[in-house]
Amino acid sequence: KQEVTQIPAALSVPEGENLVLNCSFTDSAIYNLQWFRQDPGKGLTSLLLIQSSQREQTSGRLNASLDKSSGRSTLYIAASQPGDSATYLCAAMKTSYDKVIFGPGTSLSVIP
Amino acid sequence: NAGVTQTPKFQVLKTGQSMTLQCAQDMNHEYMSWYRQDPGMGLRLIHYSVGAGITDQGEVPNGYNVSRSTTEDFPLRLLSAAPSQTSVYFCASRKTARTGELFFGEGSRLTVL
Repeated sequence: KQEVTQIPAALSVPEGENLVLNCSFTDSAIYNLQWFRQDPGKGLTSLLLIQSSQREQTSGRLNASLDKSSGRSTLYIAASQPGDSATYLCAAMKTSYDKVIFGPGTSLSVIP
Repeated sequence: NAGVTQTPKFQVLKTGQSMTLQCAQDMNHEYMSWYRQDPGMGLRLIHYSVGAGITDQGEVPNGYNVSRSTTEDFPLRLLSAAPSQTSVYFCASRKTARTGELFFGEGSRLTVL
């Protein structure tokens, strides 16, 4: 069974720090991995989509990498800001079926 | 840009009542899905559809029905609401089952008394 885990479950950092969120999946047969942000009481907003042929994607202060052989993806946030405070979820899309499996999320708090 | 639209945003039901959560997308996406999100349980897939006329079960399908008569719409029906169905429900769509980003609606918060 595909499992997606995220470490840490919660993170609190002072404003300005660079930080890394981790996502691990048990099966390397994935074709896409997507990172989302969820603010309290809101829906999920797509941040970055990494296709299996890619190693990383960048958008502004965000950089996501994918290493299928080790079953890991990381989301790097540069120069964190209080507005980055949210829950970050990763989702893995496996080759053999049409379902998307979500990790439990990392709750990030950036302290001014 | 409307994207994925869910209605209603909030609903309170009594046990045994039925209702339909509506989901519509205007991106001509073939793939649509319903999730529920509960504290400590994360996002769980209820049902999904890879195209008009085709639906399939996810992890937690019991108590829910879906249909996909058009590409745009994917309603989720609660047949006889139970307190265990109190949750936040999200509809999501992507271009096909294997391509494109997954886009989410803003959610429907359902309380069953």
